[in-house]
Amino acid sequence: DAGVIQSPRHEVTEMGQEVTLRCKPISGHNSLFWYRQTMMRGLELLIYFNNNVPIDDSGMPEDRFSAKMPNASFSTLKIQPSEPRDSAVYFCASTPSLSTDTQYFGPGTRLTVL
Amino acid sequence: LAKTTQPISMDSYEGQEVNITCSHNNIATNDYITWYQQFPSQGPRFIIQGYKTKVTNEVASLFIPADRKSSTLSLPRVSLSDTAVYYCLVAPKGGSTLGRLYFGRGTQLTVWP
Repeated sequence: DAGVIQSPRHEVTEMGQEVTLRCKPISGHNSLFWYRQTMMRGLELLIYFNNNVPIDDSGMPEDRFSAKMPNASFSTLKIQPSEPRDSAVYFCASTPSLSTDTQYFGPGTRLTVL
Repeated sequence: LAKTTQPISMDSYEGQEVNITCSHNNIATNDYITWYQQFPSQGPRFIIQGYKTKVTNEVASLFIPADRKSSTLSLPRVSLSDTAVYYCLVAPKGGSTLGRLYFGRGTQLTVWP
């Protein structure tokens, strides 16, 4: 079975540009999570969805960040405009439901903002 | 949610047993202890979970004392491929708080030949 799929795997962009990260959760999983990982702050939860509905976005750093989940098989994390401090690895994870403990992570997208 | 404290890094040699201890003084009655492993350039993956005493699976063992204020992940006879970051998490089992899992910075385990 395919795991969580993220694209692109690497993204290099210039400050001020819009960046869109994509995630396809494991089929049948109803909950989806977006994380950001940096050396300084470790792994931080940004937002999570349950049944395509955003449940908690308190981890989203600021209004430049937005996330959507238009259907059960697709989610996007958008940064507009991007800044150098947004450089990080962004992970998407999914789980069958919020009552399930194990989160299944994707390979991540390494974002570099110049 | 109870936060955790674990060493930033540990070193070991191949074939040795490695024990990584995590402190969670504010653990609540309904909290479980879960460990994830993260290899370079990959996302974290679940390795073991427990509530009290001892849990063992094909990857690791988890020891939890009676007061549950700490836990120890034990990796038997490590190999070079066990070099990874290990995260200790404490949270209620499932439920709406799942999204607030606190991963922190984890413990970087480096296994040397």
